[in-house]
Amino acid sequence: EIVLTQSPGTLSLSPGERATLSCRASQSVSSSYLAWYQQKPGQAPRLLIYGASSRATGIPDRFSGSGSGTDFTLTISRLEPEDFAVYYCQQYGSSPTTFGQGTKVEIK
Amino acid sequence: QVQLVQSGAEVKKPGSSVKVSCKASGGTFSSYTISWVRQAPGQGLEWMGRIIPILGIANYAQKFQGRVTITADKSTSTAYMELSSLRSEDTAVYYCARAGVVVGTIYFDIWGQGTMVTVSS
Repeated sequence: EIVLTQSPGTLSLSPGERATLSCRASQSVSSSYLAWYQQKPGQAPRLLIYGASSRATGIPDRFSGSGSGTDFTLTISRLEPEDFAVYYCQQYGSSPTTFGQGTKVEIK
Repeated sequence: QVQLVQSGAEVKKPGSSVKVSCKASGGTFSSYTISWVRQAPGQGLEWMGRIIPILGIANYAQKFQGRVTITADKSTSTAYMELSSLRSEDTAVYYCARAGVVVGTIYFDIWGQGTMVTVSS
């Protein structure tokens, strides 16, 4: 199965700053079938990005995804207070689907 | 807008089984799949398996083969996940989540609220 490694484990930033989160796959992700999710404490994950770069319905344009092959990035252009959360990547191009271990974006 | 509504928290003894339900409210399963994803306390997300409700076909992650059974009742738009031979390491929040059927659409756009399962003697 494909192992996804996210970095950094924790990102300490201030509101208004830019956040860059990385997701690296142990082998190439077929057709850029990679998604990103946001999870806040006590809540279910929320889909942000699918197909590596397509924003899900209702997701603000400060969230953007990029990458292909084995290296993918989620960028939050200007952090809003509600963006401090844990972010997970998921590959769904190869069975079984797998998730990264998460990156926590915390307030500095 | 479809919502997935899960059954309530459970406390189980080691060696027993648990069955969690997931009902589509405001719609049906239609042509989607329902997966089960679990999250142990303070840990990440782990996919367990999925079902295509209109076909009744399920497949499972190798780790859970033989211990998990996922079923669906089309008439009530409800999916079920039963996990047997419970051990303390199965203590987690269990989520159901909707995804597409075809390759390229197996990302999870709608999630249930989660069901806490605690395994303790």
